[in-house]
Amino acid sequence: EVQLVESGGGLIQPGGSLRLSCAASGFTVSTNYMTWVRQAPGKGLEWVSVIYSDDSTYYADSVKGRFTISRDNSKNTLYLQMNSLRAEDTAVYYCARQGAGTVAPLDSWGQGTLVTVSS
Amino acid sequence: SYELTQPPSVSVSPGQTASITCSGDKLGDKYASWYKQKPGQSPVLVMYQDNKRPSGIPERFSGSNSENTATLTISGTQAMDEADYYCQAWDISTHVVFGGGTKLTVL
Repeated sequence: EVQLVESGGGLIQPGGSLRLSCAASGFTVSTNYMTWVRQAPGKGLEWVSVIYSDDSTYYADSVKGRFTISRDNSKNTLYLQMNSLRAEDTAVYYCARQGAGTVAPLDSWGQGTLVTVSS
Repeated sequence: SYELTQPPSVSVSPGQTASITCSGDKLGDKYASWYKQKPGQSPVLVMYQDNKRPSGIPERFSGSNSENTATLTISGTQAMDEADYYCQAWDISTHVVFGGGTKLTVL
């Protein structure tokens, strides 16, 4: 059974840093495209970042230069390092599996982890 | 950057057909996916590659995609279908892109 479990969220002051983790089971992270999606309170889904199976990474303009996506193949875990956090980064962050191609859908999602940026 | 546009809300009576649209430039040349999200829950994939249903999704869900509009259709809508629905596509400029979401109300 495919499962994704996020952790690492919490309350952080503006300008601070957090690292989110997404532990995967039932499939291999390194052979799939893995994404981070966030949802601000009461708002819609916003794509944040993707790491492809060839290790290439891409980011939404809103987080470029501040967030870094990575994975640890030995732990089958996806990460999102978030620096210089702003109030507008407050959201539930979901990791999702995109399968093995750009046209593949996000077919499995974690339960999400809440990040609150506030002083 | 690529954008997808959805109506903010759609209302339907129980047992009737609900149609949720998603518009984007030449969207018909891309694959559209749809996600259902209930309050406090994670999104769930309900349609992919325009008209394919994942395992476990009822047959009353169907999809189409042509020219600039993708449509998610729910036939015989039930109260349990009430949720927010998001369309999604992939574009080389923005990678994964979501529509703004449509709140489906069954009343």
